[in-house]
Amino acid sequence: QKEVEQNSGPLSVPEGAIASLNCTYSDRGSQSFFWYRQYSGKSPELIMFIYSNGDKEDGRFTAQLNKASQYVSLLIRDSQPSDSATYLCAVNSMDSSYKLIFGSGTRLLVRP
Amino acid sequence: GAGVSQSPSNKVTEKGKDVELRCDPISGHTALYWYRQSLGQGLEFLIYFQGNSAPDKSGLPSDRFSAERTGGSVSTLTIQRTQQEDSAVYLCASSLEAEGEQYFGPGTRLTVT
Repeated sequence: QKEVEQNSGPLSVPEGAIASLNCTYSDRGSQSFFWYRQYSGKSPELIMFIYSNGDKEDGRFTAQLNKASQYVSLLIRDSQPSDSATYLCAVNSMDSSYKLIFGSGTRLLVRP
Repeated sequence: GAGVSQSPSNKVTEKGKDVELRCDPISGHTALYWYRQSLGQGLEFLIYFQGNSAPDKSGLPSDRFSAERTGGSVSTLTIQRTQQEDSAVYLCASSLEAEGEQYFGPGTRLTVT
């Protein structure tokens, strides 16, 4: 069974801190990795994607990928209360590379 | 530009009735996906369309579910003889190409009473 695992949280951090969200996946052949943000009652919003080992930075967000360890993470610098949401990790399936397998999400709470 | 749009935003139906959910992808996007998100559950893949290729229907949970995509653009997901377990948010996504980044619409919340 191909899986994507995330800690459900909540992860609580003070405003201005770095939030670190982690995700592990079981399909060693996966090539594409995505982070979505989902506010309560809303649909997922794509915030980062990464295809190569290493770090990818976009504003306050950094995605980190380690294929050898089958681990992908999202760092949010200078966390704001508006970052409070559920963050979904998604990984493509090697069987059908267009098909995304989603983790159950980590709930992030940024305290003012 | 305009994102993925879905209609209706909410649908309440009686058990046993048929429902149709509509998705209008981002203009120029060739790939279209349907997912389902049940309360407290993760996103579940339902079906995938890419250009004129045969759709991947492997995620449809039963033969009561069907979908079509007309003219390579708008898609309709049909659920026949709805059951209470069909209650969920149905999300549509599109991507520029087959394995590209997927952008979601606002979803249709379906409640079967």
